[in-house]
Amino acid sequence: DAKTTQPPSMDCAEGRAANLPCNHSTISGNEYVYWYRQIHSQGPQYIIHGLKNNETNEMASLIITEDRKSSTLILPHATLRDTAVYYCIVRQGGSEKLVFGKGTKLTVNP
Amino acid sequence: KAGVTQTPRYLIKTRGQQVTLSCSPISGHRSVSWYQQTPGQGLQFLFEYFSETQRNKGNFPGRFSGRQFSNSRSEMNVSTLELGDSALYLCASSFEGNSYNEQFFGPGTRLTVL
Repeated sequence: DAKTTQPPSMDCAEGRAANLPCNHSTISGNEYVYWYRQIHSQGPQYIIHGLKNNETNEMASLIITEDRKSSTLILPHATLRDTAVYYCIVRQGGSEKLVFGKGTKLTVNP
Repeated sequence: KAGVTQTPRYLIKTRGQQVTLSCSPISGHRSVSWYQQTPGQGLQFLFEYFSETQRNKGNFPGRFSGRQFSNSRSEMNVSTLELGDSALYLCASSFEGNSYNEQFFGPGTRLTVL
């Protein structure tokens, strides 16, 4: 079973920041938080990952709380092309296996 | 650099048949994982291969099998197809397979079982 909990859906206005929350209260010390997204019927796309520090790349920022029990993915300026299902995943140590939950369906509205 | 490629992209089979799907990882990647995606169960892990060895296996029946070749290309096979095997089959590759590299997914093979 997935170790994460996400809201099933969210809406965001185009050009505004999209903040997607994720709870992972049972995360272990050596487990990373990964974010992927899947645009309709395509393969999932890697976005970002982190352990305990905040991370930023060209796509998004990842904010992890100090107790590591939750995190937030931030898309700073959402566009219509960011409409997708976003998956927050806790990556089990020593394994390539990704356990996907149901994710959050983000709809960016014009 | 070319991405992960999967062939065929679409496939229609009938119950009882078998099917083989192919995945070519990104050049230099040695780990290949397979996933099944259905509307009801979502994305589920099938198995992972690294250097021609199966390292991890999901909770699927023995009808689902796979292998990896010396060039890291991978195939998965489903025998005695059932209607419930209709799904999008995705493969993903990563560089070292050390669990902290990001995985890159292919576009998937959509299998329809009639």
